[in-house]
Amino acid sequence: DAKTTQPNSMESNEEEPVHLPCNHSTISGTDYIHWYRQLPSQGPEYVIHGLTSNVNNRMASLAIAEDRKSSTLILHRATLRDAAVYYCIRREKLTFGTGTRLTIIP
Amino acid sequence: NAGVTQTPKFQVLKTGQSMTLQCAQDMNHNSMYWYRQDPGMGLRLIYYSASEGTTDKGEVPNGYNVSRLNKREFSLRLESAAPSQTSVYFCASSEMGQKGMNTEAFFGQGTRLTVV
Repeated sequence: DAKTTQPNSMESNEEEPVHLPCNHSTISGTDYIHWYRQLPSQGPEYVIHGLTSNVNNRMASLAIAEDRKSSTLILHRATLRDAAVYYCIRREKLTFGTGTRLTIIP
Repeated sequence: NAGVTQTPKFQVLKTGQSMTLQCAQDMNHNSMYWYRQDPGMGLRLIYYSASEGTTDKGEVPNGYNVSRLNKREFSLRLESAAPSQTSVYFCASSEMGQKGMNTEAFFGQGTRLTVV
C-alpha cells in the first residue's frame, strides 16, 4: 500500500513544540516525503518535504529517520492558527491517508 | 497569483443530472489531479493527468470521467450524479517526474457538491 500511517489526533498547548509522527515503512528509495496541512473549509497547503536529510523552512522542520521508514514534522512553537489536519504523504502518487487532526489548547 | 482555480464553488444537483467541474492552473504545471473528500475523511484520488494528453485512474474513478483539455485545464464530469457523490472536490497541480517529487503541489479551494 502506498499510503502512510499517522495518529488520528493529537493535542498540544499553545506556544509549545509539536512533534507529528508518520510511518512510511514501504517507501522507495527515490520517493520524497511531503507534508501538507488542511485548515477548515480550505484545500490542502504545502508545509515541507524531504528525501533523506532533515529539512527546515519558515513553517516547520522535518526529521527523517535514517532508514527512511518514518519521519516527524516539528512545529517549533504552536499557535492557534496551526490547528489543522496534517497529512504525511509519499509524493510519488500524491495519495492521502486520513492525516492527524491537531488541536491547539490556548 | 491565481494558482489553481476551481469552478463552481458550490453546486446542488438532482440525482441523475450531469455536470462538469472545471479546474485551471496558471503555473505551467504538467500534472493535474482530482480528489474527493467526504466528511471527516482524507482526500481520495479520483483521476490524475501526468501530462497533457494523458489521464489515469486513481483510487475511486467509478462514476466519473475526466478531460485534459490543454496544459492549463483539467475537468471532471459526473454523467449521472448519485447521492453517494455528495462530497467536496479538490483539484491540484504540480510539476511532473523527479522535478515534481522535489517541489510542492498546489490545491484549489474546492467545489462543494450536494446531490439530492
